[in-house]
Amino acid sequence: AQKITQTQPGMFVQEKEAVTLDCTYDTSDPSYGLFWYKQPSSGEMIFLIYQGSYDQQNATEGRYSLNFQKARKSANLVISASQLGDSAMYFCAMRERGTNAGKSTFGDGTTLTVKP
Amino acid sequence: DTGVSQDPRHKITKRGQNVTFRCDPISEHNRLYWYRQTLGQGPEFLTYFQNEAQLEKSRLLSDRFSAERPKGSFSTLEIQRTEQGDSAMYLCASRPRTLEETQYFGPGTRLLVL
Repeated sequence: AQKITQTQPGMFVQEKEAVTLDCTYDTSDPSYGLFWYKQPSSGEMIFLIYQGSYDQQNATEGRYSLNFQKARKSANLVISASQLGDSAMYFCAMRERGTNAGKSTFGDGTTLTVKP
Repeated sequence: DTGVSQDPRHKITKRGQNVTFRCDPISEHNRLYWYRQTLGQGPEFLTYFQNEAQLEKSRLLSDRFSAERPKGSFSTLEIQRTEQGDSAMYLCASRPRTLEETQYFGPGTRLLVL
């Protein structure tokens, strides 16, 4: 069964600094996708970045980058130049390609607080 | 199309009552998902539709829960004889066929069972 572990319940970062949010996963499917979502206090889930298991390069989207270490089964999110608006809950998720459903399994999230 | 919509956004009900939630996915998305999220946790998968067919249901989905997606368009999630433990955020998501595509989430329906 697939599983996502986010070991940091809460993180603090100073505005304009970089922060890394940890995510490890477990799957027996060789083909899968990894996603990061942001959930502000308003509740909506906002897609940030995607990494495929066969992608050779780490994914980047603006200030977001994914540090993908396949052998360690880790997919950490790096946010550069943190902004006050980055304060939110962040979820790591995985979707295996071997199932028809393509449902995602989520971690329990990390609450990020950006300090001015 | 502005995205996935859900109705109502908030629902307060008394224990034992039935409730129904609606989800309107992005129109060209044939895959639709329901998740439940409790405070401090990530979303948990409930059920999945491909077009009008319900292809998978989680063991979390007890007999009191039923979901439909008639004609492969909008979907409804009904909870019968609600219990206090059903209090949660119910999220709907849709996505197109390609597995690389992310799911697009609606704003959720927050249910409180008194």
